[in-house]
Amino acid sequence: QQPVQSPQAVILREGEDAVINCSSSKALYSVHWYRQKHGEAPVFLMILLKGGEQKGHEKISASFNEKKQQSSLYLTASQLSYSGTYFCGTEIPPYDNAGGTSYGKLTFGQGTILTVHP
Amino acid sequence: SQTIHQWPATLVQPVGSPLSLECTVEGTSNPNLYWYRQAAGRGLQLLFYSVGIGQISSEVPQNLSASRPQDRQFILSSKKLLLSDSGFYLCAWSSSRWSSPLHFGNGTRLTVT
Repeated sequence: QQPVQSPQAVILREGEDAVINCSSSKALYSVHWYRQKHGEAPVFLMILLKGGEQKGHEKISASFNEKKQQSSLYLTASQLSYSGTYFCGTEIPPYDNAGGTSYGKLTFGQGTILTVHP
Repeated sequence: SQTIHQWPATLVQPVGSPLSLECTVEGTSNPNLYWYRQAAGRGLQLLFYSVGIGQISSEVPQNLSASRPQDRQFILSSKKLLLSDSGFYLCAWSSSRWSSPLHFGNGTRLTVT
């Protein structure tokens, strides 16, 4: 099942902060975050593997609340280059994978469009 | 370093014509391979994934098929295109380990007329 992202769109001025949320109705093994510029392919930002894990990538960080089955992406002091569509991708636990194969199949949220203005 | 090549970048095809999109990965062995489609809008829909040569799993019943004739080659095909097949097609690879990042190709923008 597709995770739900909120908000659907965010408009910021340079230097402002934003939070993008990703919620799943299923127990999660990991959460991935990607950013896609218009007309380009999505680019990997980070993976969160453990409940409670937080990671940072320059001024972009994320947290993963395993119990609540949700993740949040934090963008601080936004820059023009942060504009794009942000996707979370969720991965279910291996023991739920009936085939037992070693792949990590991601289900992506619908995306959050972030626009940063000067 | 690993690279992924996907072609063509854009394609305009009439309804009822066949389709073949190709994707190759370099610099890694036994990758997991994926085809995603992104319709006008934003969502990424997983169409097919493969964990090895000849092993294809389909996620969504549709007018498309996929094949993996070689370890690092993934092909998306259709015998007869429909208008609804238009979209942005993305090939991606990941390591076979769990929770590995997806690395996307540059995509093919397909317009069916």
